[in-house]
Amino acid sequence: EVQLVQSGAEVKKPGESLKISCKGSGYSFTSYWIGWVRQMPGKGLEWMGIIYPGDSDTRYSPSFQGQVTISADKSISTAYLQWSSLKASDTAMYYCARQSSSWAPSDYWGQGTLVTVSS
Amino acid sequence: EIVMTQSPATLSVSPGERATLSCRASQSVSSNLAWYQQKPGQAPRLLIYGASTRATGIPARFSGSGSGTEFTLTISSLQSEDFAVYYCQQYNNWPTFGQGTKVEIK
Repeated sequence: EVQLVQSGAEVKKPGESLKISCKGSGYSFTSYWIGWVRQMPGKGLEWMGIIYPGDSDTRYSPSFQGQVTISADKSISTAYLQWSSLKASDTAMYYCARQSSSWAPSDYWGQGTLVTVSS
Repeated sequence: EIVMTQSPATLSVSPGERATLSCRASQSVSSNLAWYQQKPGQAPRLLIYGASTRATGIPARFSGSGSGTEFTLTISSLQSEDFAVYYCQQYNNWPTFGQGTKVEIK
């Protein structure tokens, strides 16, 4: 069974750093792309970027380039999304999702990680 | 960036009735269009990809059509579990989502 299991909810202060994770199982982690999607409170879905764990090829949506860093550790089948300096506007639910290619629909999704940034 | 526009924002439908949701792209995306369902507190679920192919395990009452810039998701006979928010997404290049259509009980 394909599963993407994300790390737990986080509460952070503005300016702090954060790294959240997404662990894949039930499939060949290095053969599929992992994408990250943001959903701000009460809002729609925004595609942030993707990574191919097989060779760490990473692509960012222009809206998120420079704002976050996407990485992966294929030895533990885990992808990451990180911030160096959080802002209140980063408060959102973040989902990871699997894709068969760089431009493809997302067929399996993680359960989401809620990030709350508040002073 | 390709802008996806969904209509209507909210659709009120009685159980058993047909629901028709629309999605328009600001430029052609060929058939690189997916539909997702999201229920409160849950992650999105892939329903349709390639504009008209149902994902694994999706009931036949869900169907998709269209190509280029105009797309439609039809739910032939709404069940109680179908009341949710539906998003279209183009993946012809940098993926973008529509703003969603909420299907609510009439």
